[in-house]
Amino acid sequence: NAGVTQTPKFQVLKTGQSMTLQCAQDMNHEYMSWYRQDPGMGLRLIHYSVGAGITDQGEVPNGYNVSRSTTEDFPLRLLSAAPSQTSVYFCASSYSGGGYNEKLFFGSGTQLSVL
Amino acid sequence: QQQVKQSPQSLIVQKGGISIINCAYENTAFDYFPWYQQFPGKGPALLIAIRPDVSEKKEGRFTISFNKSAKQFSLHIMDSQPGDSATYFCAAKLGGSARQLTFGSGTQLTVLP
Repeated sequence: NAGVTQTPKFQVLKTGQSMTLQCAQDMNHEYMSWYRQDPGMGLRLIHYSVGAGITDQGEVPNGYNVSRSTTEDFPLRLLSAAPSQTSVYFCASSYSGGGYNEKLFFGSGTQLSVL
Repeated sequence: QQQVKQSPQSLIVQKGGISIINCAYENTAFDYFPWYQQFPGKGPALLIAIRPDVSEKKEGRFTISFNKSAKQFSLHIMDSQPGDSATYFCAAKLGGSARQLTFGSGTQLTVLP
């Protein structure tokens, strides 16, 4: 059971480039989300999805785009990378959002540097 | 703005000591408060969680204390071990149909041998 798989693990971009961070889960979870982790800022929610075809914005959505065409996959697109998007990105999934008695399963992260 | 405020940012404790991490919140609509533990190079993982109708929850060496009137909750790690060295995040979830968790800023714990 692979859980939540993120690719790539590391990425370096130049300002203005676009790219897609991949996230896949094999637990048949309805809820998937993307967080960014920055020193002193904790984990901040970028976008989330409560099922295929349904997405919504989190706390820091600007500069990012998502889609959810299948239950398994939830890619995060950086439209035009900026140095402020240098961060570690985590994808997470659960049955309904990590509520009472429910774990939010995290991937191992993607470390992104934008030069 | 941070809806869940966590302190301290870093903490150094001797082996066998007690580690205490504090979190405070303003939104009384939060109804679930988990703690996540993150080791270097890994994603966070659920450690322990509490609901506001309970004042304390204990699992092994880890205890959450919850003060609803003060809108504060804390994680206590008894008999801290070097293997507990990690980053700890408190979090909160709104009641009702809300799905997403709001995380604190994290505390980097170092337990010295």
